[in-house]
Amino acid sequence: DAEITQSPRHKITETGRQVTLACHQTWNHNNMFWYRQDLGHGLRLIHYSYGVQDTNKGEVSDGYSVSRSNTEDLPLTLESAASSQTSVYFCASSPGLLHSGNTIYFGEGSWLTVV
Amino acid sequence: AQSVTQLDSQVPVFEEAPVELRCNYSSSVSVYLFWYVQYPNQGLQLLLKYLSGSTLVKGINGFEAEFNKSQTSFHLRKPSVHISDTAEYFCAVSVVTGTASKLTFGTGTRLQVTL
Repeated sequence: DAEITQSPRHKITETGRQVTLACHQTWNHNNMFWYRQDLGHGLRLIHYSYGVQDTNKGEVSDGYSVSRSNTEDLPLTLESAASSQTSVYFCASSPGLLHSGNTIYFGEGSWLTVV
Repeated sequence: AQSVTQLDSQVPVFEEAPVELRCNYSSSVSVYLFWYVQYPNQGLQLLLKYLSGSTLVKGINGFEAEFNKSQTSFHLRKPSVHISDTAEYFCAVSVVTGTASKLTFGTGTRLQVTL
């Protein structure tokens, strides 16, 4: 079955290190998203992509970057990890416009702790 | 800009009792509204969505929501809850940018069902 997978599922890293969270989807969806989930804030959009070579900043993009070299993958990189980036990160994808009946599908999350 | 407000961070309820989770939105353009559920240590799953047409929307697991344009609300209801409904519930609005769309989430409501 087609799916969206995230790796690693759990990671502990040190302040200042570079960290990359992988996201891979097998649906051939054009749209991919990265959210972070924090208590009291819900899910906030970090970066998103509407196709290969397209990337856009979300509402909390500082300290993060993404690249889209193919349809299936959207890796999220923390350039220099900070304790404020301790969070649960969710990758998501959708085939098209959400109000046209398309659905956005979420991965199971990556728990990142920065110490 | 579109935004979503979930006024209740936690809602405790007894099993078999009815429940309403509140969601209000703000938008200057047409809105497309969604409810997602997140079970412990999992990603988000779509419960239901309002795109157009009937203001009463039925979703999975016996949930329904009513779109009320005059009150700018999209409250989620279930006439009789089960223990298995214990989860985090997120209201979201679709934001259209160019030829694609993304979701903006509320801060979530924790539904705790007890015997």
